[in-house]
Amino acid sequence: EVQLVESGGGLVQPGGSLRLSCAASGFTFSSYEMNWVRQAPGKGLEWVSFITNSGSTIYYADSVKGRFTISRDNAKNSLYLQMNSLRAEDTAVYYCARGRYYFYYWGQGTLVTVSS
Amino acid sequence: EIVMTQSPATLSVSPGERATLSCRASQSVSTNLAWYQQKPGQAPRLLIYGASTRATGIPARFSGSGSGTEFSLTISSLQSEDFAVYYCQQHNDWPQFTFGPGTKVDIK
Repeated sequence: EVQLVESGGGLVQPGGSLRLSCAASGFTFSSYEMNWVRQAPGKGLEWVSFITNSGSTIYYADSVKGRFTISRDNAKNSLYLQMNSLRAEDTAVYYCARGRYYFYYWGQGTLVTVSS
Repeated sequence: EIVMTQSPATLSVSPGERATLSCRASQSVSTNLAWYQQKPGQAPRLLIYGASTRATGIPARFSGSGSGTEFSLTISSLQSEDFAVYYCQQHNDWPQFTFGPGTKVDIK
């Protein structure tokens, strides 16, 4: 069974940093592209970042470019999102999701709250 | 950026009735469109990809159609577990994925 489990969310002050993790199991992690998708409270879905299976190609949404860094460790079956210079508008549930064109599997999400 | 719009924002339907949700793209996305279902407190679930292909385990009462800029998701006979928010997502402008704002299907 495919499982994606996010962790690392919490309350952080504006301008602060946070690192999210996503632990994958039930499939060959190193064979699949991965993404981060977020959802602000009561709002819709917003794609954040994409990484190829090898980690060699990475893309970001304009809203996070230059502030967020996606990475993966295939030996540890883990995906990461380093978030710096956080803003109030980054407050959201962050999901990791597997897929190249659409998101076939999702984690349960981790809540990031940016507030003073 | 390709902007996705969905209508209506809320659809009130009685159990057993048919529901048709619409999704429109600001420019052609061919059939590079997916639909998701999200229930409160849960992650989204993929229903349809390629505009009309059901994902594994999705009941046959869910069907997708359309191409270019106009798409629809039809639920042929609504079950209690189908009351949720539905999102469309384009990947024609890969990897700049964009989602629609969602349609909430609630009980009439």
